[in-house]
Amino acid sequence: NAGVTQTPKFQVLKTGQSMTLQCAQDMNHEYMSWYRQDPGMGLRLIHYSVGAGITDQGEVPNGYNVSRSTTEDFPLRLLSAAPSQTSVYFCASRRGGQETQYFGPGTRLLVL
Amino acid sequence: EDKVVQSPLSLVVHEGDTVTLNCSYEVTNFRSLLWYKQEKKAPTFLFMLTSSGIEKKSGRLSSILDKKELFSILNITATQTGDSAIYLCAVAYNNNDMRFGAGTRLTVKP
Repeated sequence: NAGVTQTPKFQVLKTGQSMTLQCAQDMNHEYMSWYRQDPGMGLRLIHYSVGAGITDQGEVPNGYNVSRSTTEDFPLRLLSAAPSQTSVYFCASRRGGQETQYFGPGTRLLVL
Repeated sequence: EDKVVQSPLSLVVHEGDTVTLNCSYEVTNFRSLLWYKQEKKAPTFLFMLTSSGIEKKSGRLSSILDKKELFSILNITATQTGDSAIYLCAVAYNNNDMRFGAGTRLTVKP
């Protein structure tokens, strides 16, 4: 099992550019989530999904879109990048009925 | 407003010391409290607590939850340099919400 994988590991964007952060898991987990981690602020939930075709907003959803067409994949789209979106992004998954999340290695994003 | 507060934010100790990390919370429809350890990259799971007063233990680490006073503590005894990390507290609440505290950065000096 590869667990939770994320690509790319690091990305530099210019303000206004769009991009997609990829996340995949091979554990057949129903729940998948995206977090951002900023210094001194812990992890904040951006969007989550409870299954294919179902997504919902978390604590800080503005500027991000998600979709869940398959159980395995949960991409995060930045529509028009802003410097405030400079952060480390973590994808996580968990099995339905369980609370323990498994995290990917993270994507470090720098928006200039 | 739902919130999770960890203290202290930073802690420096020497090998062999015992440390206590704190996590307090205010959320609606509490489900569980989780502790994670984050070294260089992804957080890794330590404990999940759902019931008050029942200690979870793994080696030198232990944790307990007080649902009346809305807090949890994570204890680490006989600290080692390998314990240096950010320790994150997270609270699951409502149907699918999860909120993390800001973390405690622990540095263990030899």
